Amino acid sequence: GAGVSQSPRYKVAKRGQDVALRCDPISGHVSLFWYQQALGQGPEFLTYFQNEAQLDKSGLPSDRFFAERPEGSVSTLKIQRTQQEDSAVYLCASSSPLGRVSGSDEQYFGPGTRLTVT
Amino acid sequence: AQSVTQPDIHITVSEGASLELRCNYSYGATPYLFWYVQSPGQGLQLLLKYFSGDTLVQGIKGFEAEFKRSQSSFNLRKPSVHWSDAAEYFCAVGVIKAAGNKLTFGGGTRVLVKP
Repeated sequence: GAGVSQSPRYKVAKRGQDVALRCDPISGHVSLFWYQQALGQGPEFLTYFQNEAQLDKSGLPSDRFFAERPEGSVSTLKIQRTQQEDSAVYLCASSSPLGRVSGSDEQYFGPGTRLTVT
Repeated sequence: AQSVTQPDIHITVSEGASLELRCNYSYGATPYLFWYVQSPGQGLQLLLKYFSGDTLVQGIKGFEAEFKRSQSSFNLRKPSVHWSDAAEYFCAVGVIKAAGNKLTFGGGTRVLVKP
């Protein structure tokens, strides 16, 4: 079956531009996560949705970062006025296919969007 | 706050040799522990997970990991490495909250396989 897809796969933005990154989770998955992976580092949590509700946004690095999941499926991560330090791979993951969340749920990751800010 | 340490940034191993990747975690409760593998241009793929029960966990691709509470460790092992195992490996701890189980990752270990 289809996995998690992300688009675009690569994005080059000039400093100060706004960008929007899209995530299509696995159909029926309740939970959706965004992570940021800087070069040579492990992924770091940004934000979490349960259906359309954003329950945790503690990892968003600044108010320039905004995420939404209005209908509980597709999610968009928006970065306003991009800075060079925003250059990273942005990973989306989905989990919890049974309509309820369990701590042991496996997260299925998309291939990521590589953002380069010049 | 929870944290994960992977002490080895790079490991080089010969094909057919055994492999062990170290992972130490810090978390105030019983952890949910995961190992993921990331190949170039690919997303993260789950190798195995531990959340209760037998402390020796079997995963995909011939990998296993052992949870040792006394050492706060969750090391990953494979008896005989194949060239296709060259990748980056991440250990993660799941933080269990009402708002889902976000993962805290270690910095990763890059595995190179010599022919």
